[in-house]
Amino acid sequence: QVQLVESGGGVVQPGKSLRLSCAGSGFTFSNYAMHWVRQAPGKGLEWVAVIWYDGTYKYYTNSVKGRFTISRDNSKDTLYLQMNSLRAEDTAVYHCARDPAMVPNNWFGPWGQGTLVTVSS
Amino acid sequence: EIVLTQSPATLSVSPGERATLSCRASQRIDINLAWYQQKPGQAPRLLIYGASTRATGIPAKFSGSGSGTDFTLTISSLQSEDFAVYHCQQYNNWPLTFGGGTKVEIK
Repeated sequence: QVQLVESGGGVVQPGKSLRLSCAGSGFTFSNYAMHWVRQAPGKGLEWVAVIWYDGTYKYYTNSVKGRFTISRDNSKDTLYLQMNSLRAEDTAVYHCARDPAMVPNNWFGPWGQGTLVTVSS
Repeated sequence: EIVLTQSPATLSVSPGERATLSCRASQRIDINLAWYQQKPGQAPRLLIYGASTRATGIPAKFSGSGSGTDFTLTISSLQSEDFAVYHCQQYNNWPLTFGGGTKVEIK
């Protein structure tokens, strides 16, 4: 069955960096665009970034542009989110989610359970 | 950025009754809207895309409607497993955005 497993979360000081990973299994990873979506504690969902199936195109929400980088390694069936210059408002559970297509349709099919990132001094 | 407003924030429904959830967009988004269900401690689950198309494995008790700016998710005959938070999401424009969610609770 389709599985998405995130890792790499933790507690980090403001201004520092963190890299999240999302391992996919049970499907042909390289055939799908992938997203990161986050949810601050007790808050709603916020889309963060998307990457095309082959990594050629990427889009970001405005609040993370220039600080976060989405990437993927299709040989390892893994999605990444490099987060730099972290701020307190980046504190959230970060989910990876699979798009239904190679070129994004932009809704989210299977989701991972998420990894918690806490930005605090 | 397109703002989605969900109402009500909380909906109290008795088991067996029907729930009607609303999602309003700040500008027209055609039918580019999805709905998700999220239970405590779990990841969201896709219910509806294209405003009215049920995702694979989603029972017919969930139905979506609407186009333009006004959308509705209807859940018929609520059972215990249906009490959750429901989110709408638009994909007509970048950035993709979500509504604030509607919590459906047991009355």
